Amino acid sequence: NAGVMQNPRHLVRRRGQEARLRCSPMKGHSHVYWYRQLPEEGLKFMVYLQKENIIDESGMPKERFSAEFPKEGPSILRIQQVVRGDSAAYFCASSPGTGENEQYFGPGTRLTVT
Amino acid sequence: DQQVKQNSPSLSVQEGRISILNCDYTNSMFDYFLWYKKYPAEGPTFLISISSIKDKNEDGRFTVFLNKSAKHLSLHIVPSQPGDSAVYFCAARNSGSNYKLTFGKGTLLTVNP
Repeated sequence: NAGVMQNPRHLVRRRGQEARLRCSPMKGHSHVYWYRQLPEEGLKFMVYLQKENIIDESGMPKERFSAEFPKEGPSILRIQQVVRGDSAAYFCASSPGTGENEQYFGPGTRLTVT
Repeated sequence: DQQVKQNSPSLSVQEGRISILNCDYTNSMFDYFLWYKKYPAEGPTFLISISSIKDKNEDGRFTVFLNKSAKHLSLHIVPSQPGDSAVYFCAARNSGSNYKLTFGKGTLLTVNP
């Protein structure tokens, strides 16, 4: 059973470009969480999605950031007009359903904005 | 506002000895706590968890203790092994808040041979 997949593993963007981060949850998991880890910090919750629905986006910046989890295909975290402060590791986690206690994390995407 | 705090950025222990990692929280609504282990350039790996209705959970060399009145939990690793060297994150969640996890900043554990 493959784990949570994230791609790309490393992404370099110039200021003002767009970044698209992809996450494929574990097989059978329909709940996806995105977290961001800034240098020397813990992981911070950004958004929680189920198939075709955003359940909680309270941790996501109001501007430039968006997320989706379509019926078919991976979940996408999209950052428009990136700035240097967006440089971080972005982790996706999945769980089988509401009430499941453990979230299983992917290897992360390291975004560098130059 | 740091709701989950790991006040020790690093800890160094000898192989075979006990490692004790500490975590404090401020949100009394948290009802489930987890420890994750993270190697460089990898995602966090789930280690052990505890519900707020318990005060201890044990899994092999790993034991987590929860003191609700003090809002404190700790992870004990015994005996420690060099392969345990990693960053350990304490995380907490409130079941009424969509199960999102709140993480501490992590403690870097180094186990010396």
